[in-house]
Amino acid sequence: AQTVTQSQPEMSVQEAETVTLSCTYDTSESDYYLFWYKQPPSRQMILVIRQEAYKQQNATENRFSVNFQKAAKSFSLKISDSQLGDAAMYFCAYRSARETSGSRLTFGEGTQLTVNP
Amino acid sequence: NAGVTQTPKFRVLKTGQSMTLLCAQDMNHEYMYWYRQDPGMGLRLIHYSVGEGTTAKGEVPDGYNVSRLKKQNFLLGLESAAPSQTSVYFCASSYEGQGKTEAFFGQGTRLTVV
Repeated sequence: AQTVTQSQPEMSVQEAETVTLSCTYDTSESDYYLFWYKQPPSRQMILVIRQEAYKQQNATENRFSVNFQKAAKSFSLKISDSQLGDAAMYFCAYRSARETSGSRLTFGEGTQLTVNP
Repeated sequence: NAGVTQTPKFRVLKTGQSMTLLCAQDMNHEYMYWYRQDPGMGLRLIHYSVGEGTTAKGEVPDGYNVSRLKKQNFLLGLESAAPSQTSVYFCASSYEGQGKTEAFFGQGTRLTVV
C-alpha cells in the first residue's frame, strides 16, 4: 500500500516571500501521479499542481512549482511571491497509474499554511 | 456547470440514527468516491465506484454502505451512526482515459454525531 507523509503540520510565510512545503511518499510502483491540493476555509478542494512520475521535468503553474525527486520519493511544493489568498490547508496526494485504480487518491496529513501581511 | 454536488452540507445526528449522504455529478464521470477528512489525518477513502451498479471498499469502509444505482449519483449511508463517524465527508468523481487524471470534489458535508 502507498503512504504519503507531510511532516510539517503548520507553516507560515510573509507576504511576497517564498515557502516550501514538504511531502514524501512510499510506493513500489514505477508509474504514478502526484498532486498538491489546496483547501481554503470554504472546504473546497482545489487542484494546485500535478506531476507525472515518468516526467523528469518539474511541473510549474504560475507561482507554484514542485521539486520532484523520484529516487528519494520526495515531492515538495514551492510557492513564490506568497499572497494572502494562498493561506489554506495544503494536501499532497498520490495516485497509481494502473487503470484499475481509477483516480483513488492517497493523501498526506496536510500542512496548514499561514500568510502574514 | 454544477460539477459535484453534495447534500446536505451540514448535519447533526444522534448516536444510533441513520442517514444518507447524496452525491451528484453532471460531468458523466465513470468513477466516484467517498472520502472522510479528520484533523491530522488528511482524507481517507471510504468506498468508491468504477461504474454504475458497482461499488468497492476503500481504506476505512466499516460502518458505511454505498450504492451507485445511477451513473450520476453515489450514495453514502450510515446505518447506525457513532461518534467516531463525526467528520467532514467529501465526494469526488473522475473521468478515466486520454491521460486525464483529475478528480473533482464536492464541497463537503460536515457531520456531527452526538
